[in-house]
Amino acid sequence: NAGVTQTPKFQVLKTGQSMTLQCAQDMNHNSMYWYRQDPGMGLRLIYYSASEGTTDKGEVPNGYNVSRLNKREFSLRLESAAPSQTSVYFCASSFGGGSYEQYFGPGTRLTVT
Amino acid sequence: DQQVKQNSPSLSVQEGRISILNCDYTNSMFDYFLWYKKYPAEGPTFLISISSIKDKNEDGRFTVFLNKSAKHLSLHIVPSQPGDSAVYFCAAPHYGGSQGNLIFGKGTKLSVKP
Repeated sequence: NAGVTQTPKFQVLKTGQSMTLQCAQDMNHNSMYWYRQDPGMGLRLIYYSASEGTTDKGEVPNGYNVSRLNKREFSLRLESAAPSQTSVYFCASSFGGGSYEQYFGPGTRLTVT
Repeated sequence: DQQVKQNSPSLSVQEGRISILNCDYTNSMFDYFLWYKKYPAEGPTFLISISSIKDKNEDGRFTVFLNKSAKHLSLHIVPSQPGDSAVYFCAAPHYGGSQGNLIFGKGTKLSVKP
């Protein structure tokens, strides 16, 4: 089992460029999440998908869109990148419902210049 | 108000001694808490959890204590080892609305010196 995988590991974008971060899980989890981690800020939820076919905003959704492509895959899109989106992005998954443990991917380090 | 607070950004401990990481929360309706450990350039990994029906949960060298009246929990690591050097996050499931979503503290960086 690979668990949660994320691509790419690193990315540098210029302001205004777009990109999609990919995430996949092989644990048959129902729920998937996108977080960003900034120095001194902990982990902040961007978007989540409680189940296949649903997505909802988290704490910091502005500037992002998501797609729950199927049960395994959950992508995060930056339509017009800004320097404020420089961060480390983590995807996570869980069984959902009353199961709270989330399993994280290795992260994508994004720099926007 | 649903917040989880880790007021100590860093902690340094000698190998073999006890490490105590603290976490406070604001919403008395929180009923489950988790601790995650994060090494540099890796994703967070689940460490230990506790339900509000308990006041202690133990897993090897790791013990979490919950004081509901004080809205405070702590993670004890005994004995501390250099491999425990990492950032530790406490988290609680969001109450109401988006249940299942976790609210994370800002983390405490633990350094265990040989």
